[in-house]
Amino acid sequence: KAGVTQTPRYLIKTRGQQVTLSCSPISGHRSVSWYQQTPGQGLQFLFEYFSETQRNKGNFPGRFSGRQFSNSRSEMNVSTLELGDSALYLCASRTTGGTDTQYFGPGTRLTVL
Amino acid sequence: AQTVTQSQPEMSVQEAETVTLSCTYDTSESDYYLFWYKQPPSRQMILVIRQEAYKQQNATENRFSVNFQKAAKSFSLKISDSQLGDAAMYFCAPRGGEYGNKLVFGAGTILRVKS
Repeated sequence: KAGVTQTPRYLIKTRGQQVTLSCSPISGHRSVSWYQQTPGQGLQFLFEYFSETQRNKGNFPGRFSGRQFSNSRSEMNVSTLELGDSALYLCASRTTGGTDTQYFGPGTRLTVL
Repeated sequence: AQTVTQSQPEMSVQEAETVTLSCTYDTSESDYYLFWYKQPPSRQMILVIRQEAYKQQNATENRFSVNFQKAAKSFSLKISDSQLGDAAMYFCAPRGGEYGNKLVFGAGTILRVKS
């Protein structure tokens, strides 16, 4: 099976712009979660989608949003970018039931100038 | 807030030797999962090992094993016969119980392997 894929891998934006990141889960996985990784805050949970519905949300401002499509692919959007949004954004997918292990994609490195 | 503590910011081990990375967590519930992930310089997060809290037997995966002490809320990772490819940042992450249906990561431990 192909792993979790994320596009783009690298992105440079300027303050005030918006950005959309994409994640394709492992085939058959219906849950997709997003995490932000920064040197200062470490790894923090953003949100989880399952069957096109947001199930969990982390403690992030409303500028961060996401959605999931019927094929389980997910996108996250950050509007009005701030310098502090520079981070590695990781997507993870899992099946549901049992151990529910999350498998991660390679990440999208976002730099905000 | 439920915390996850990895008290060793950095560890070093000689190739072929054994090293143990520590992790403590904080939940009063009895049903949850515990994971160790590694993140090499490529930044790809890779699952190392997982443990179901209801199982008393410690999980093992080839050279990787855990010492799960439920009462002490401790979940350490032992790497035997360390290899150069084991060099990475290692994260402990519980999921479930009071942590909710998400991974909550510790700060990580950088593991350096010396040849």
